[in-house]
Amino acid sequence: NAGVTQTPKFQVLKTGQSMTLQCAQDMNHNSMYWYRQDPGMGLRLIYYSASEGTTDKGEVPNGYNVSRLNKREFSLRLESAAPSQTSVYFCASSVAGTRYEQYFGPGTRLTVT
Amino acid sequence: AQSVSQHNHHVILSEAASLELGCNYSYGGTVNLFWYVQYPGQHLQLLLKYFSGDPLVKGIKGFEAEFIKSKFSFNLRKPSVQWSDTAEYFCAVNRMNTGFQKLVFGTGTRLLVSP
Repeated sequence: NAGVTQTPKFQVLKTGQSMTLQCAQDMNHNSMYWYRQDPGMGLRLIYYSASEGTTDKGEVPNGYNVSRLNKREFSLRLESAAPSQTSVYFCASSVAGTRYEQYFGPGTRLTVT
Repeated sequence: AQSVSQHNHHVILSEAASLELGCNYSYGGTVNLFWYVQYPGQHLQLLLKYFSGDPLVKGIKGFEAEFIKSKFSFNLRKPSVQWSDTAEYFCAVNRMNTGFQKLVFGTGTRLLVSP
């Protein structure tokens, strides 16, 4: 039982390049989330998927797109990377509903030059 | 807008000292409250959570937190810290009436425990 896995662990992009961050969970969770973590700002929600087939914007969605490929997988795409997107990205999952905690992946450290 | 405040950004303690980290949130109604910990180089892990009932909740590794509804606070405590508690601590709040879990995180408190 791997929990929440993310690939890649590290990535360096040039401004304007695109890439997709992958996330998968093996806990049969309905809900999945993407956050970014920046120094002094905590975690901010980019997009979330309450259940398979649905996605919604979070607090900071600009410059990102997501795909809930199936119940297990939730990917985050940067179409045209910008230096402001340099951050650590965390994927999380949870059982549906409000009374459950979220489980986090190990993170992807992205640098955009 | 939803807001979660952690007033201590950096805390330095010696081993065996007592710890209290503050967390306040800015909205009424029923909330779920969480403390997460991030050890150096690792992902976030749940320390403890409050949903209802006894406002004093106990978590892993000797941590506890007290929910004081009248003060909109959920402070984290540990009577005696260890070097291994060096980490960043995040408070998070979820409003029950959303029908869905959208956590709002505080900005985090970096704790350094010196041996």
